[in-house]
Amino acid sequence: GDSVTQMEGPVTLSEEAFLTINCTYTATGYPSLFWYVQYPGEGLQLLLKATKADDKGSNKGFEATYRKETTSFHLEKGSVQVSDSAVYFCALSDTGQGAQKLVFGQGTRLTINP
Amino acid sequence: EAGVAQSPRYKIIEKRQSVAFWCNPISGHATLYWYQQILGQGPKLLIQFQNNGVVDDSQLPKDRFSAERLKGVDSTLKIQPAKLEDSAVYLCASSFGLPHEQYFGPGTRLTVT
Repeated sequence: GDSVTQMEGPVTLSEEAFLTINCTYTATGYPSLFWYVQYPGEGLQLLLKATKADDKGSNKGFEATYRKETTSFHLEKGSVQVSDSAVYFCALSDTGQGAQKLVFGQGTRLTINP
Repeated sequence: EAGVAQSPRYKIIEKRQSVAFWCNPISGHATLYWYQQILGQGPKLLIQFQNNGVVDDSQLPKDRFSAERLKGVDSTLKIQPAKLEDSAVYLCASSFGLPHEQYFGPGTRLTVT
């Protein structure tokens, strides 16, 4: 079945550092890919998405490019802030499946120190 | 626009007891999802409704879990009887229009002792 694998956390960085959180996927069809973020005490929020190969999703300074050849969707940000501290989830939705459900990775906890 | 509402936010019960969670989706959202998120893992879909019909309940433990969505709006998820391994956060999400644009509620944290 479909699956998503994220780099293990926790990840701790200093403010203004460069961030990469790796995400790879396995899918039988043509999935859409997503990054969700969960800030402390809040629900999951969609951060960015890409619906086809070579698409780049971006939001709030974060970017991720849909790489079909490497089945990856790595999250990057050039200069992180303390406010980016949260748990980040990579997810896919395989449009080939009728229910179009989201399959999530295990999450990566990010802590940014001032 | 009001977000997805869930209640209660926290619940502690003993094993073999029953518990119910409530979700009110964003107004006009036809699709409603219940997810289970065990500590340290990503959310796992339990059940998906389209209006008041079930689209996918393949990962719902039907011997103890049940869910309904009367009138295609609010939904309740019930566990009876609860087991220790049911300790998790139960997330409700809804969507409309854009496929896959799911909006999540804050979740209900269940602790089974």
